[in-house]
Amino acid sequence: EVQLLESGGGLVQPGGSLRLSCVASGFAFSSYAMSWVRQAPGKGLEWVSVISGNGGNTRYADSVKGRFTISRDNSKNTLFLQMNSLTAEDTAVFFCAKQKQWLKAVDYWGQGTLVTVSS
Amino acid sequence: SALTQPPSASGSPGQSVTISCTGSSSDVGGYSYVSWYQQHPGKAPKLVIYEVNKRPSGVPDRFSGSKSGNTASLTVSGLQVEDEADYYCSSYAGNDILCVFGTGTKVTVL
Repeated sequence: EVQLLESGGGLVQPGGSLRLSCVASGFAFSSYAMSWVRQAPGKGLEWVSVISGNGGNTRYADSVKGRFTISRDNSKNTLFLQMNSLTAEDTAVFFCAKQKQWLKAVDYWGQGTLVTVSS
Repeated sequence: SALTQPPSASGSPGQSVTISCTGSSSDVGGYSYVSWYQQHPGKAPKLVIYEVNKRPSGVPDRFSGSKSGNTASLTVSGLQVEDEADYYCSSYAGNDILCVFGTGTKVTVL
């Protein structure tokens, strides 16, 4: 059974940093691209970033480019999202997601972790 | 930019509802990689259709997808109470950029 368990969310002040983690199990982690998708309160879904199975390719939404960094540790089946220079507009539930194929469908989602940026 | 979906759709139990997802030749119209996700309140999204019209294992055949030009559609036939949820489309848009999501449609079962 595929499981994705996010952690690291919480309350952070504007301008602060946070690192999200996602531990994966139930599939060959290093063989699949992984993504972070976020959803602001009461809003729709927004793709944040994606990383290839070997970590060699990444993509970012324009809204986070230069502030967020996606990475992965395939030896620990773990996906990360380092978030810097956070603003109130980054307040959202962040979902860890397993890609079915690079830049295409997501076939499994984590339950999400809430990031709140507020003073 | 986001794909365009109607904000809401509704139908009675047993009826069908169809949701549209309009993009451009750079995304929906240019590739056969449209996906649809169902999201119940407070829950993670769930994949119900991928590659325009393919259903993942375990998704009822009441869910079907199609595409014509720059518009993709999701049809839910034989509506059931548990189908009441938000639905989002998504499309591949080329190797250089992330996929784009639709604006979302709230389906209400009357």
